Amino acid sequence: DAGVTQSPTHLIKTRGQQVTLRCSPKSGHDTVSWYQQALGQGPQFIFQYYEEEERQRGNFPDRFSGHQFPNYSSELNVNALLLGDSALYLCASSPQPTSGGNEQFFGPGTRLTVL
Amino acid sequence: QKEVEQDPGPLSVPEGAIVSLNCTYSNSAFQYFMWYRQYSRKGPELLMYTYSSGNKEDGRFTAQVDKSSKYISLFIRDSQPSDSATYLCATGGLTGGGNKLTFGTGTQLKVEL
Repeated sequence: DAGVTQSPTHLIKTRGQQVTLRCSPKSGHDTVSWYQQALGQGPQFIFQYYEEEERQRGNFPDRFSGHQFPNYSSELNVNALLLGDSALYLCASSPQPTSGGNEQFFGPGTRLTVL
Repeated sequence: QKEVEQDPGPLSVPEGAIVSLNCTYSNSAFQYFMWYRQYSRKGPELLMYTYSSGNKEDGRFTAQVDKSSKYISLFIRDSQPSDSATYLCATGGLTGGGNKLTFGTGTQLKVEL
């Protein structure tokens, strides 16, 4: 049973560019959440997707957007990259929030470096 | 004030020691609590999940929650060098239609031979 997968593993971009990160959830999970983890910090919630809609959003600017596909996989897009966007981007999957399964299982992350 | 406070350490203990890791939280709406282990440059791995006050045990790990004082703990018995990692506490509640997690900053643990 494959866990949460993310691609790419590493990415280097320059300021002002745009980036797309991808995530496939754990088998049987239909909810995907994205988190940003800066060095030495805990993960910060970006947003959560369920049924192809943004269900919940954290305190991130509109430059951060996402999408969920019918197969439950998800993308995170970041426009107009800033140096401060350099971080480990984590995807987590879980069963539907109101079904009682609140555990979130994380992927290995995508390390984004903005130069 | 952060919603979840966690001492970043680092915490260094000898092999075989009992480790105590702690977090406090401020939001009474938080309903469930998790502990994750994160090795360097890897994704967090779920260790423990609980949604009520009291203790939950799994092998060498015990999670403890005291909702009255908003205090959560993770105990590791017979600590091993392979336990050296960053331990993240996380809390959540069914608010805003979703179940986002709020994390502490993580405590870096080193278990020495």
